Amino acid sequence: AQKVTQAQTEISVVEKEDVTLDCVYETRDTTYYLFWYKQPPSGELVFLIRRNSFDEQNEISGRYSWNFQKSTSSFNFTITASQVVDSAVYFCALSEFFGGYNKLIFGAGTRLAVHP
Amino acid sequence: ETGVTQTPRHLVMGMTNKKSLKCEQHLGHNAMYWYKQSAKKPLELMFVYNFKEQTENNSVPSRFSPECPNSSHLFLHLHTLQPEDSALYLCASSQEGLAYIGELFFGEGSRLTVL
Repeated sequence: AQKVTQAQTEISVVEKEDVTLDCVYETRDTTYYLFWYKQPPSGELVFLIRRNSFDEQNEISGRYSWNFQKSTSSFNFTITASQVVDSAVYFCALSEFFGGYNKLIFGAGTRLAVHP
Repeated sequence: ETGVTQTPRHLVMGMTNKKSLKCEQHLGHNAMYWYKQSAKKPLELMFVYNFKEQTENNSVPSRFSPECPNSSHLFLHLHTLQPEDSALYLCASSQEGLAYIGELFFGEGSRLTVL
């Protein structure tokens, strides 16, 4: 069965610290997609990144970076020089390829609090 | 116009009421979704519509009834709900193809409280 585990329930850091959010997934599929979403207090889930199983290149977008390692089934997310606006719940998700719609399996989320 | 709009943002209803949640997407996507987010539980997929056809019903109780009249609108009709149905209901849309998985774009959700 597919599963996403975000072992860190809550993380608290001080502004400008670097922070890494862990994500471990389980799947028997060879083709799959991984996602990260951010949920600020307003409630809307904001898409951050999509990665397919054949692309293990790490990605950097400004202060955000992602480390995809198939060997350990992990897709970790690092925020460099964190800011108060980064405070939110972050979800990692795994998708099966259904050829018609995107069935996302979400982890439980990690609540990040960045203090001034 | 934001990409995915949900109304109402907050709803309080009794167990015998009938109400509906509405979702509208302005992104030209072909798939729409309802997710449920409860405290202490992961996000749960409830329903999926692709090209207006329901393609997934994730063992949701019949007191929740979805409707997708066109590819831009999605409703969730609610009747005789239970207090444990209190949650944040999130609508999403995506552009999907036979060989392509798109990212989901979410609305801000409808916070439902059942008394």
